[in-house]
Amino acid sequence: AQSVTQLDSQVPVFEEAPVELRCNYSSSVSVYLFWYVQYPNQGLQLLLKYLSGSTLVKGINGFEAEFNKSQTSFHLRKPSVHISDTAEYFCAVTRSGGSYIPTFGRGTSLIVHP
Amino acid sequence: ETGVTQTPRHLVMGMTNKKSLKCEQHLGHNAMYWYKQSAKKPLELMFVYSLEERVENNSVPSRFSPECPNSSHLFLHLHTLQPEDSALYLCASSQSGMKIAEQFFGPGTRLTVL
Repeated sequence: AQSVTQLDSQVPVFEEAPVELRCNYSSSVSVYLFWYVQYPNQGLQLLLKYLSGSTLVKGINGFEAEFNKSQTSFHLRKPSVHISDTAEYFCAVTRSGGSYIPTFGRGTSLIVHP
Repeated sequence: ETGVTQTPRHLVMGMTNKKSLKCEQHLGHNAMYWYKQSAKKPLELMFVYSLEERVENNSVPSRFSPECPNSSHLFLHLHTLQPEDSALYLCASSQSGMKIAEQFFGPGTRLTVL
C-alpha cells in the first residue's frame, strides 16, 4: 500500500513570488507520481506526472516538480505565481506497472494575494 | 461534448428522495471512478469499474449504489441519504491496463441533502 502526505494545508503567497508545495509519499514498490489542480467549482485537472526518466518534470501553466527517490518527495514549484493560480493542489501516487487506482493527498490550498 | 461530463451539476434532495447522478466519458477509456469530496477531508474513492474488476470502498454506505452499463457511462444511485452525505461527487475515467494511469475528472455534482 502507499500513502501521500501534503505537509501544508494552506500556502499563502504574493503574486509574482515563487512557491513550493510539498508532497511526500510512502510505498514499498515503485510508483508513478502526479500533481492535479482543482479550480473553484471544477473537477481535478492533471498538472504534471512522473513516470520514469528525468527527475525534473515540467507541466502546464509554468509548474514543475522534482522527484527525489531518496527523500521520497515530489515537490511542486513555480518561480512566479499569478492570481489565477489560486486553487487546490493534490499530489497523487499509483503503483507503477499498470495500477489504475491512485492514492491522493489531502490537498494544499494555494492562495495568491495581489 | 468532450472529456468527462456529469449531470446534474447541482442537486438538492430530501432524505427520503431517490435520485441518480450520471457520468459520461468521451475519451474511449475503460475505467471509471466515483469520488466523494467533502470539505476539510481527503478525496474519498467510492467505486471503480474497469474491464478487469469492480472495486468498492467497504466504508461506503449501501445507500449509494453504482451502475456501469457500459464503458462510457456511470451512474450513482442515491436513496435515503443523510445530511453528512452532502458533498461534491466527482466522476473520473482512465485507461486501465496501461502504464500511464492518469485520471480525467468531470466537473462534479454538488449534492446537498436536507
